[in-house]
Amino acid sequence: AQSVTQLDSQVPVFEEAPVELRCNYSSSVSVYLFWYVQYPNQGLQLLLKYLSGSTLVKGINGFEAEFNKSQTSFHLRKPSVHISDTAEYFCAVSNTGGFKTIFGAGTRLFVKA
Amino acid sequence: NAGVTQTPKFRVLKTGQSMTLLCAQDMNHEYMYWYRQDPGMGLRLIHYSVGEGTTAKGEVPDGYNVSRLKKQNFLLGLESAAPSQTSVYFCASSYTEGLTDTQYFGPGTRLTVL
Repeated sequence: AQSVTQLDSQVPVFEEAPVELRCNYSSSVSVYLFWYVQYPNQGLQLLLKYLSGSTLVKGINGFEAEFNKSQTSFHLRKPSVHISDTAEYFCAVSNTGGFKTIFGAGTRLFVKA
Repeated sequence: NAGVTQTPKFRVLKTGQSMTLLCAQDMNHEYMYWYRQDPGMGLRLIHYSVGEGTTAKGEVPDGYNVSRLKKQNFLLGLESAAPSQTSVYFCASSYTEGLTDTQYFGPGTRLTVL
């Protein structure tokens, strides 16, 4: 069985500071990993995904994530955040088929001026 | 393209009432899903469909029914609403990109059951 753990429920950070949102997963088979962002009162949007190949994945809005198979992690990073990055971020894992996608509980990022 | 749309955006029901949530997608995706989102619990899959005329249970199907009569539409029904079904409901659709699916989400329906 697969599972996803987002290690922080809330992350406050000042504008222009770097941020890392942590995600660990467990799975007995090969996995595909995703980060989604949810802005207030909106649906989820895909930020980035890891399917295969390079372990460093670049996404939209300057975010990137690194797949670390030995540590079963897929942490999301941004070197300098903006107020507009305030949102909830979800890590997700699947193996084959979207109906097997498991979402983490979410991390709420607060960017302060 | 409108992408994935959901109707209605908000709804308040009394315990025991019924309602249907409509999801529509114009991307010709085969797969469609209904999730519920509750604080601190992420998204949980209610039901899904792998094609027109087919549906299957997800993680939390009890109290819900679904239908996929047309490829572009996926309906979620609550026959007798309960306060435990107060939640935000998201519909998604997906296509297979080689190895796995990428899901596209609607804006959500906020449901309150009194």
